[in-house]
Amino acid sequence: GQNIDQPTEMTATEGAIVQINCTYQTSGFNGLFWYQQHAGEAPTFLSYNVLDGLEEKGRFSSFLSRSKGYSYLLLKELQMKDSASYLCAVRLLKAAGNKLTFGGGTRVLVKP
Amino acid sequence: EAQVTQNPRYLITVTGKKLTVTCSQNMNHEYMSWYRQDPGLGLRQIYYSMNVEVTDKGDVPEGYKVSRKEKRNFPLILESPSPNQTSLYFCASSLSRGGGGYTFGSGTRLTVV
Repeated sequence: GQNIDQPTEMTATEGAIVQINCTYQTSGFNGLFWYQQHAGEAPTFLSYNVLDGLEEKGRFSSFLSRSKGYSYLLLKELQMKDSASYLCAVRLLKAAGNKLTFGGGTRVLVKP
Repeated sequence: EAQVTQNPRYLITVTGKKLTVTCSQNMNHEYMSWYRQDPGLGLRQIYYSMNVEVTDKGDVPEGYKVSRKEKRNFPLILESPSPNQTSLYFCASSLSRGGGGYTFGSGTRLTVV
């Protein structure tokens, strides 16, 4: 089976930086995704890592270490609108095709 | 506009009354999937489909059925809904490979009383 762990909740101040960690134990790893989800809305795609290293996209960066089964999402210059849940998801290569499995999500609260 | 369209957005129904939640995508994606989301449990996969007429169970398939007769449509069928199927449901689609990730529908909030 697979196990994906991330913290349940984090609080940060507007303008600051927050790092959300995700650890996973899987077989057949084929990529890691980060999604943002505002309450009651659909998840929206943020980033994708399949090779080790850092991917930067504006204020958001994502890092992957496959040997450690570890990723983090870094949110810089936090804004109030960044208050949301952040979902780590691992894509597994299965005989029947790719399968995307989600962690429980990290709720980030940005305070003024 | 590229999108995944789910209907209905909200549904209240009674135990045992068959219902279908529709899902349609206009991006020519091969891969489609259904998830349910419950507090404290995150997104859990119900069923997925690699292409037309190819479907497989996810992690929580009991009580659900799906079909993939056309590439764009992937309906979720609850033959005899029960209160434990009260949840927020999301349909999603993607290309079979690459880093584009899933595109999600807006969600269907289902209440079974």
